[in-house]
Amino acid sequence: EAQVTQNPRYLITVTGKKLTVTCSQNMNHEYMSWYRQDPGLGLRQIYYSMNVEVTDKGDVPEGYKVSRKEKRNFPLILESPSPNQTSLYFCASSPWPKTYEQYFGPGTRLTVT
Amino acid sequence: EDQVTQSPEALRLQEGESSSLNCSYTVSGLRGLFWYRQDPGKGPEFLFTLYSAGEEKEKERLKATLTKKESFLHITAPKPEDSATYLCAVQARYSGGSNYKLTFGKGTLLTVNP
Repeated sequence: EAQVTQNPRYLITVTGKKLTVTCSQNMNHEYMSWYRQDPGLGLRQIYYSMNVEVTDKGDVPEGYKVSRKEKRNFPLILESPSPNQTSLYFCASSPWPKTYEQYFGPGTRLTVT
Repeated sequence: EDQVTQSPEALRLQEGESSSLNCSYTVSGLRGLFWYRQDPGKGPEFLFTLYSAGEEKEKERLKATLTKKESFLHITAPKPEDSATYLCAVQARYSGGSNYKLTFGKGTLLTVNP
């Protein structure tokens, strides 16, 4: 089944404790991206990647890091999480440049206390 | 800056009562407009892509249309299982750079009562 997977699905952590959220897709997509979704603010892009070793900032990159060492994986790293990073996070991939729609993972609900 | 505004914020329908959701957008050159459905606590599910004014796409009870300034998602004879948040997003055609990001609206929460 073609899909985007994320782990963990739920995470509660404390301020300053480094964490990584993994994202993997099995559709051989070049493009991958991370979004956060907050009430009243909608979905906002954090980082995106056009290809292996190519990443760039989205609208809200502060406090986040990414890497793209393999085509299928695009982990999101929070080196020193803060409470304002409590959110619902989604990873997505796209068959760009063939078409531009993005396919989303199931989400990771992160709480930072 | 790309902007997407969806209306209404919430819509409550009776089963079988057709209606439309609106997505108004401002973008410097449209590469594509996308509709997604999102159920509570889940990732957005892709529905349609529209590329140019006048284009229409249909899927079951849903029909999406596009003009130069807005898109409509028409829901014909909705059922309770159509209840969800419907998201509109645009992708701009930039003359330079490589960001293929989506700019999302805040969504319309649709509730269909039996």
